Amino acid sequence: DVKVTQSSRYLVKRTGEKVFLECVQDMDHENMFWYRQDPGLGLRLIYFSYDVKMKEKGDIPEGYSVSREKKERFSLILESASTNQTSMYLCASSFLSPGNQPQHFGDGTRLSIL
Amino acid sequence: DQQVKQNSPSLSVQEGRISILNCDYTNSMFDYFLWYKKYPAEGPTFLISISSIKDKNEDGRFTVFLNKSAKHLSLHIVPSQPGDSAVYFCAASEDTNAGKSTFGDGTTLTVKP
Repeated sequence: DVKVTQSSRYLVKRTGEKVFLECVQDMDHENMFWYRQDPGLGLRLIYFSYDVKMKEKGDIPEGYSVSREKKERFSLILESASTNQTSMYLCASSFLSPGNQPQHFGDGTRLSIL
Repeated sequence: DQQVKQNSPSLSVQEGRISILNCDYTNSMFDYFLWYKKYPAEGPTFLISISSIKDKNEDGRFTVFLNKSAKHLSLHIVPSQPGDSAVYFCAASEDTNAGKSTFGDGTTLTVKP
């Protein structure tokens, strides 16, 4: 079974802190994704990566950056956390093609910025 | 502009009856459509998909129907079970877009015993 592991289930940080969310997958997937989920807004794509050191902006990249130094690991970075970044963050991975490859999700990190 | 829309935030059905979850899209370039199920405190899990060249795909109790002319798809669950209570996300992707999917806002299904 595919395993996508997010480093923390719950995280509480303060405004202005630099926050790192880590994600590791064990299926040699080319693609990795970071989403945030907010009530009534579904899953919104922050960034994705289709290869090591490659990254593409999603729909809401402002205030975030990412790092993919190894194929299995994709990190989301909040450079200076703000209260409006309080949310559920979901990491996912998939094979690159064809387009019907399902994404495999981690269980999420609930991040609170105080 | 939201390319994938699930217009019903919630749906409640009786156990044993049919559940029908709907999804509309605007981008005619989508090649695949996928449904995911999400339980609280867990990540979404893949349920079923359909290619744009098909109009129906069935997997056990789950059937997805695609109407390309109406840019509409639906997920049918028959018979519905209390364990099906979850949030269902519709997603769409293009073959040329590196596996990226566009998700709808989700529909919360409640199946009452």
